[in-house]
Amino acid sequence: DSGVTQTPKHLITATGQRVTLRCSPRSGDLSVYWYQQSLDQGLQFLIQYYNGEERAKGNILERFSAQQFPDLHSELNLSSLELGDSALYFCASSRAGQGNTIYFGEGSWLTVV
Amino acid sequence: TQLLEQSPQFLSIQEGENLTVYCNSSSVFSSLQWYRQEPGEGPVLLVTVVTGGEVKKLKRLTFQFGDARKDSSLHITAAQPGDTGLYLCAGAAYSGAGSYQLTFGKGTKLSVIP
Repeated sequence: DSGVTQTPKHLITATGQRVTLRCSPRSGDLSVYWYQQSLDQGLQFLIQYYNGEERAKGNILERFSAQQFPDLHSELNLSSLELGDSALYFCASSRAGQGNTIYFGEGSWLTVV
Repeated sequence: TQLLEQSPQFLSIQEGENLTVYCNSSSVFSSLQWYRQEPGEGPVLLVTVVTGGEVKKLKRLTFQFGDARKDSSLHITAAQPGDTGLYLCAGAAYSGAGSYQLTFGKGTKLSVIP
C-alpha cells in the first residue's frame, strides 16, 4: 500500500460525458501528479500540482483539467469524453516539489463506451 | 522532449534463468528510478539511482546507472514466477521552480514461466 488513495477504481461512461477522478496523496506529501496509461502510449505525464498550485504540465488535453485543494487532495476532471480517453489514470505524490521519488496510487480505470 | 527507450519490450523466460533489461536515453538525468507494475495496479518503486556508475542490489535484482547518467540496466538473477510484471524505468530531470519531472519508458513486460 503506497498510501496514495484513488477513487473510483472503475468507471464506465458514455462518449460526451464528464467524469471526476479523485486522489488523496500520502500523508505529508505536497506534490500530486496525474498520469494516463494506455496500452499503446505507456505512462504519460499529464500534470503536477504542488501545495495547491500548478507546477508542471505534460500531455494534458484541453478537455481535461485538474486542481489541488487546500487539504492537498486533487481532482482530475475529464470532459467531452471520447473513446480514446479509455485508460488507466494514476495519481502519484511526492514529499516536496521535487519529483525524484514518487509513489503511485492503484489507479482509476476509465472505460468510455 | 526527453525519451527513454526500454528493451526488450517483451521477455519470456524459464524459471531460474538470468535476464537483463535496458533503459537508454540521449538525455542526462539527475536520477533514474525503476518500477514494477502488475496488471490493474499502480507502479511500485523498486529503486532510485542517483550517482553515475552507481550499482544497487535488491535481493536478486541488480540496478546500475550509467556513468554518464543517460542509461540504466536491471539484471535479475535466477528469475522466479513472482518476478513477472511490467518493469518501468523513469528518468528525473529538473524542470524549473524547484521541481523535477519524471519521464517514463514504455516498459519491459516480463513473463517467468515455472
